[in-house]
Amino acid sequence: QQPVQSPQAVILREGEDAVINCSSSKALYSVHWYRQKHGEAPIFLMILLKGGEQKGHDKISASFNEKKQQSSLYLTASQLSYSGTYFCGTTLLFSSGSARQLTFGSGTQLTVLP
Amino acid sequence: NAGVTQTPKFQVLKTGQSMTLQCAQDMNHNSMYWYRQDPGMGLRLIYYSASEGTTDKGEVPNGYNVSRLNKREFSLRLESAAPSQTSVYFCARGQGVTGELFFGEGSRLTVL
Repeated sequence: QQPVQSPQAVILREGEDAVINCSSSKALYSVHWYRQKHGEAPIFLMILLKGGEQKGHDKISASFNEKKQQSSLYLTASQLSYSGTYFCGTTLLFSSGSARQLTFGSGTQLTVLP
Repeated sequence: NAGVTQTPKFQVLKTGQSMTLQCAQDMNHNSMYWYRQDPGMGLRLIYYSASEGTTDKGEVPNGYNVSRLNKREFSLRLESAAPSQTSVYFCARGQGVTGELFFGEGSRLTVL
């Protein structure tokens, strides 16, 4: 079951903020965030493993709302290097407590202009 | 990308031909994955392997087979290639079932 990402594309100026959302219709065990530059492999940004958990790296942070089965990625004071496609990936929570395969959303294309 | 090596990087096939994409990791991670990426479709999971000798189907397994003979290698085979399998294929390794994924550089496959 693929998670749903929104928006599909964002264009902003250097220094502006952006939020990318990721939601699932199923109970989630974890949420991953990756960034991919054109022609390159996706690069890991962060994992959120607990409901309500928030993580940050430089000016990029994320939250995980377990109840709403969604996560958001926050890019603050964006830089030119933030341009790329952002993917969220989710693993589902099964009744046995075990987590399963990681499936990705269709991506959000972020363009930062000077 | 150091850590996950995919071969070949580029391949052109004719419809009906077969081929195997090879993937090898230089770590001792249990989990390995094969994804395909098409424009506007994001990354779709073909197969994954939680440990040596075990494999499971992902979202789009039809037309593919995989083999995890040892911990280091995870290969993807197309028995009879179709134009719909034209895509970029990524192999990845991960720590455990929910650990971060580290992707290879990708293999660009074109089926004519």
